[in-house]
Amino acid sequence: EAQVTQNPRYLITVTGKKLTVTCSQNMNHEYMSWYRQDPGLGLRQIYYSMNVEVTDKGDVPEGYKVSRKEKRNFPLILESPSPNQTSLYFCASSHSLAGGYEQYFGPGTRLTVT
Amino acid sequence: QQPVQSPQAVILREGEDAVINCSSSKALYSVHWYRQKHGEAPVFLMILLKGGEQKGHEKISASFNEKKQQSSLYLTASQLSYSGTYFCGTETETTDSWGKLQFGAGTQVVVTP
Repeated sequence: EAQVTQNPRYLITVTGKKLTVTCSQNMNHEYMSWYRQDPGLGLRQIYYSMNVEVTDKGDVPEGYKVSRKEKRNFPLILESPSPNQTSLYFCASSHSLAGGYEQYFGPGTRLTVT
Repeated sequence: QQPVQSPQAVILREGEDAVINCSSSKALYSVHWYRQKHGEAPVFLMILLKGGEQKGHEKISASFNEKKQQSSLYLTASQLSYSGTYFCGTETETTDSWGKLQFGAGTQVVVTP
């Protein structure tokens, strides 16, 4: 089954404790992206990757890191989480953003930083 | 800058029509439309590309006015299953924006029996 998986689905952590949210897709997609969703603000792009070893900042990259060492994986790293990073996070993948290809979203990771 | 969606919310009876608008202050290359039901991930509806090519959902249509940097999503003869929050996402034409997708704040649609 074609899908985007994220782990963990729920996470409660404390300020400053490094964490990684994994994202994996089995569709051989080139494009992958991370979004955060907050009430009233819609989806805001954190980082995106056009292909392996190519990553770029979205609109809200501060406090986050990503890497794209393999085509299927695109982990999101919070080196020192803070309470303002409490949010719902979505990973998405697409064959390509250009040319009209749809994005497939993962199920989401709800992160709470206390 | 995020695109601006209007209205913020709309309540419909089954069978009624609605229009959701999405406007940007920048020249657009593409507009993406997604629907999200409560507690779920966004699901693709439609993509509109500069030049008029349209792809997407058979029962929901959309238009893209490149000159006005606007797109509209048309919900025709709405069904209960149309309820959810609709998001437009825009990709702008500047060379440093390829791959960057900005979403609006969303339009909540409630369809009642």
